[in-house]
Amino acid sequence: DIQMTQSPSTLSASVGDRVTITCRASQSINTWLAWYQHKPGKAPKLLIYKASSLERGVPSRFSGSGSGTEFSLTISSLQPDDFATYYCQQYNSQSRAFGQGTKVEIK
Amino acid sequence: EVQLVESGGGLVQPGRSLRLSCAASGFIFDNYAMHWVRQAPGKGLEWVSGISWNGGSAGYADSVRGRFTISRDNAKNSLFLQMDSLTAEDTALYYCARGGSSSYFYYIDNWGQGSLVTVSS
Repeated sequence: DIQMTQSPSTLSASVGDRVTITCRASQSINTWLAWYQHKPGKAPKLLIYKASSLERGVPSRFSGSGSGTEFSLTISSLQPDDFATYYCQQYNSQSRAFGQGTKVEIK
Repeated sequence: EVQLVESGGGLVQPGRSLRLSCAASGFIFDNYAMHWVRQAPGKGLEWVSGISWNGGSAGYADSVRGRFTISRDNAKNSLFLQMDSLTAEDTALYYCARGGSSSYFYYIDNWGQGSLVTVSS
């Protein structure tokens, strides 16, 4: 099964900061990767699909990049609403593993 | 508006069974693959199972394969998860989620609010 590893596990940042989260796949998944934002008590929200395509309605400060085994999610200027946990997920194989999550905290 | 409403969760003893349901509305249900994803207390998201639009293809996480069965009733716009031989490690909030297309191999684009399953004696 394909394993997904995110880093860092926790990220402390301030409003206005540029932040980048990394996701690594244990084998190539082409660009079959999605990113989700999850806040406590709420349903997760799709941000990015196919590694770099922005879901409709998601602010343009979010961007994704990468292919093969290395991927990243960047928030160009962190806003108060962005403090949450972020997950990557591969959809290349039968088993659809998530990364372990990256919690973005207020510095 | 896409709506996914889970039901059937609750407290169950180890070794027993439970069946989750998900009522879908706001879209043409049999045009989309569907999934179950769970989050144990204090843990991250874990994909549990997925099923193609017509039920012809399904997949399971290693942690539930052989114990859980996913199914759907397109006539009733409903998704199900039959959970047998439950253990404490299955305690989690279970989300019903829609795939972005009819194909099983696609990202998830909508989620329900979740149904809590607690396995304890």
